[in-house]
Amino acid sequence: DAGITQSPRHKVTETGTPVTLRCHQTENHRYMYWYRQDPGHGLRLIHYSYGVKDTDKGEVSDGYSVSRSKTEDFLLTLESATSSQTSVYFCAISDFGSGGPYEQYFGPGTRLTVT
Amino acid sequence: SQQGEEDPQALSIQEGENATMNCSYKTSINNLQWYRQNSGRGLVHLILIRSNEREKHSGRLRVTLDTSKKSSSLLITASRAADTASYFCATSGEQFYFGTGTSLTVIP
Repeated sequence: DAGITQSPRHKVTETGTPVTLRCHQTENHRYMYWYRQDPGHGLRLIHYSYGVKDTDKGEVSDGYSVSRSKTEDFLLTLESATSSQTSVYFCAISDFGSGGPYEQYFGPGTRLTVT
Repeated sequence: SQQGEEDPQALSIQEGENATMNCSYKTSINNLQWYRQNSGRGLVHLILIRSNEREKHSGRLRVTLDTSKKSSSLLITASRAADTASYFCATSGEQFYFGTGTSLTVIP
């Protein structure tokens, strides 16, 4: 695997509590992404970052916020977790060339259960 | 949604047979990529085809792209049990848009 780690790998939390997931890369790639994967929906983009302190929303950003204070770290925060946010969360990294984005490398995923 | 859509949703074949899965998408693209996901794991990149390319090969993989029809296909030749996985296409501009995947089962 490319140098991407996610923490925690598993988490169970209660409705209404804040949760922060961390993605760490050692590849110095410019772009970092957070996805959620749910049955029947494939991967859906939550937020992405195109540089330190530069982030933008994806398809399903409501209820989530992100921060990137260093190239290597991208944090995803659920301010007040809901049961609909139970999912598997994947972080990915990518770089860009003149012809567009290169391939994405994915982390191992975080399984989050909100009870 | 700008998601791609894979077809079929599920495919079951015997080892040694070829597997073909298709992807349709809605918007103009810089490139299209195919990924594999084994159960419980993250996605792994297989192959990238640029919008000005029509066909690309990588080992037992063959990808075609028809931008006029906004479609792509992935062919896996001489399939093996280890090819059992879900396969996703992804279209990319600055964001990536993934389809819902094709679940491939290769029976030994």
